[in-house]
Amino acid sequence: SQTIHQWPATLVQPVGSPLSLECTVEGTSNPNLYWYRQAAGRGLQLLFYSVGIGQISSEVPQNLSASRPQDRQFILSSKKLLLSDSGFYLCAWSGLAYGTYEQYFGPGTRLTVT
Amino acid sequence: GQNIDQPTEMTATEGAIVQINCTYQTSGFNGLFWYQQHAGEAPTFLSYNVLDGLEEKGRFSSFLSRSKGYSYLLLKELQMKDSASYLCAVEVGGFKTIFGAGTRLFVKA
Repeated sequence: SQTIHQWPATLVQPVGSPLSLECTVEGTSNPNLYWYRQAAGRGLQLLFYSVGIGQISSEVPQNLSASRPQDRQFILSSKKLLLSDSGFYLCAWSGLAYGTYEQYFGPGTRLTVT
Repeated sequence: GQNIDQPTEMTATEGAIVQINCTYQTSGFNGLFWYQQHAGEAPTFLSYNVLDGLEEKGRFSSFLSRSKGYSYLLLKELQMKDSASYLCAVEVGGFKTIFGAGTRLFVKA
């Protein structure tokens, strides 16, 4: 079966500090990978998605970046965090093996920038 | 542009039926998803519609009209555990999915 891991679960970081969030998927190969952010009481904002190693599509121009160094690893980074970067960050994967492209989400990282 | 509209909140009574509507205007359309998200948790997949009509899955059903840009999620025999946010999402192509802001459903006894 497929499993998606995200860490850390919670994070408190000062403004201007760097960020690295990691997501890994097990039990599937060549998944599509996604990073979303959800502000309190809001919907999901797509930040980045990737259809293969080294292939990253950015949806929102901002101080965040993403990388996919391995097939099942997706990393979200920032060199200098802003207060507006606070939110619930979700990693997700999808694959055609199950007939549709529904997405399966990791447990999320709750980031507070102080 | 991409636009997905859902009511912000709904309240219903345990045992009743509730319909959550979603309208969309997107630059592409490959299919429409519904996800459930309990407070503080990640969304989980409920249903997927690609053709017009009704898809039934237990207590949950989802309807799609592509010509009208309209979908609804129907929840029957409501239970307290159904209190959650319900997210409408459109796959617009290229493996990209756009999510609506979600509808918070409160189920009262």
